[in-house]
Amino acid sequence: EPEVTQTPSHQVTQMGQEVILRCVPISNHLYFYWYRQILGQKVEFLVSFYNNEISEKSEIFDDQFSVERPDGSNFTLKIRSTKLEDSAMYFCASSEAHRAGGTETQYFGPGTRLLVL
Amino acid sequence: AQSVAQPEDQVNVAEGNPLTVKCTYSVSGNPYLFWYVQYPNRGLQFLLKYITGDNLVKGSYGFEAEFNKSQTSFHLKKPSALVSDSALYFCAVRDRTGGSYIPTFGRGTSLIVHP
Repeated sequence: EPEVTQTPSHQVTQMGQEVILRCVPISNHLYFYWYRQILGQKVEFLVSFYNNEISEKSEIFDDQFSVERPDGSNFTLKIRSTKLEDSAMYFCASSEAHRAGGTETQYFGPGTRLLVL
Repeated sequence: AQSVAQPEDQVNVAEGNPLTVKCTYSVSGNPYLFWYVQYPNRGLQFLLKYITGDNLVKGSYGFEAEFNKSQTSFHLKKPSALVSDSALYFCAVRDRTGGSYIPTFGRGTSLIVHP
């Protein structure tokens, strides 16, 4: 069964450093998403991406964040200057398409645990 | 605005007993509702969803959920729990009348099934 994969599984970085989190969505999927989950809190939407551009983003997704699909398979989340509060589990997800009525299912990767020191 | 609440941080049940994981929601219009499960070191896995039609939705691994519009609930159930069902369960809602395709997730409920 196809899966969404994410690398690295864990990342430790110093405050102020840039990090890039990588995801390989399911191959025939067209919509891609990033979510985060701060320890003990709920899963929060960051951004969705379709046709090489951002389709929706939350207020969390500020100027320090960016997303890219550099080579047609990878989908990356870049955090330019990490802060302590960016420490969280980051999940990538993908879905086939936005069917009429929006009944698509999102498939999630295993996550990258980011720790900012 | 859309929101979802999972009132229990943890649910404990003995193997073989029925289980219920609670979820209530709030949307401006009509909801799409989802349940996901997260096993240790894995991503969220889709279990089931309510779109329209029968209020009782059947999903993966023997789970089902009942949509109750009057109580704005979508509780997850299973008639006979297995130890392997122990995991973190997330409810999510999306308002079908809005322009967004993004669901809002609850905080998750840890299900522990004791042998």
